[in-house]
Amino acid sequence: GAVVSQHPSWVICKSGTSVKIECRSLDFQATTMFWYRQFPKQSLMLMATSNEGSKATYEQGVEKDKFLINHASLTLSTLTVTSAHPEDSSFYICSAPQTAGVPETQYFGPGTRLLVL
Amino acid sequence: QKEVEQDPGPLSVPEGAIVSLNCTYSNSAFQYFMWYRQYSRKGPELLMYTYSSGNKEDGRFTAQVDKSSKYISLFIRDSQPSDSATYLCAMGYNFNKFYFGSGTKLNVKP
Repeated sequence: GAVVSQHPSWVICKSGTSVKIECRSLDFQATTMFWYRQFPKQSLMLMATSNEGSKATYEQGVEKDKFLINHASLTLSTLTVTSAHPEDSSFYICSAPQTAGVPETQYFGPGTRLLVL
Repeated sequence: QKEVEQDPGPLSVPEGAIVSLNCTYSNSAFQYFMWYRQYSRKGPELLMYTYSSGNKEDGRFTAQVDKSSKYISLFIRDSQPSDSATYLCAMGYNFNKFYFGSGTKLNVKP
């Protein structure tokens, strides 16, 4: 299967600071990547779709000025949580669809755990 | 109504049991059906993938899709303690947007 990495795997920051999370497709190119958020014991909640060369598409209720997404290249998307607050503490996971191989489906990164103090 | 419904469990079984996990869905346009396994504090990993209807088997795992009933299943034979995880069903009409179930937490007791 395809490999997607995320960095960092966990981060602790003070309230009011900004945190950047990277998502990379290691062995394939992805014009689209997805960012999810997962609260404890809950399923994945799609936050936004990251598009290479154009603006991200945000799901309803997700603040685009709060969660900045940049799809810098065909293998890298970044999510920046701006002015983070304790309620932003969560598990953030990215995924990328791999269409050239078998199966064609989405592959997930290992996730980034964010704790805002 | 949610697009995808999945019993959150938890489901607790003894080692060696056959496990049945299920999801129902409402959108008849869905063509891609996946099962992901997620260990605690890790990202989901693809376990089984089915396009359209039918069955698919991979080792101890069997995935079934019944589009007429809008119902998918994952069977685990000879379950092992290492199978203890949360199992997420996912589906969509293309692989660019998936709809996830809430996940079923499985505990296989030695």
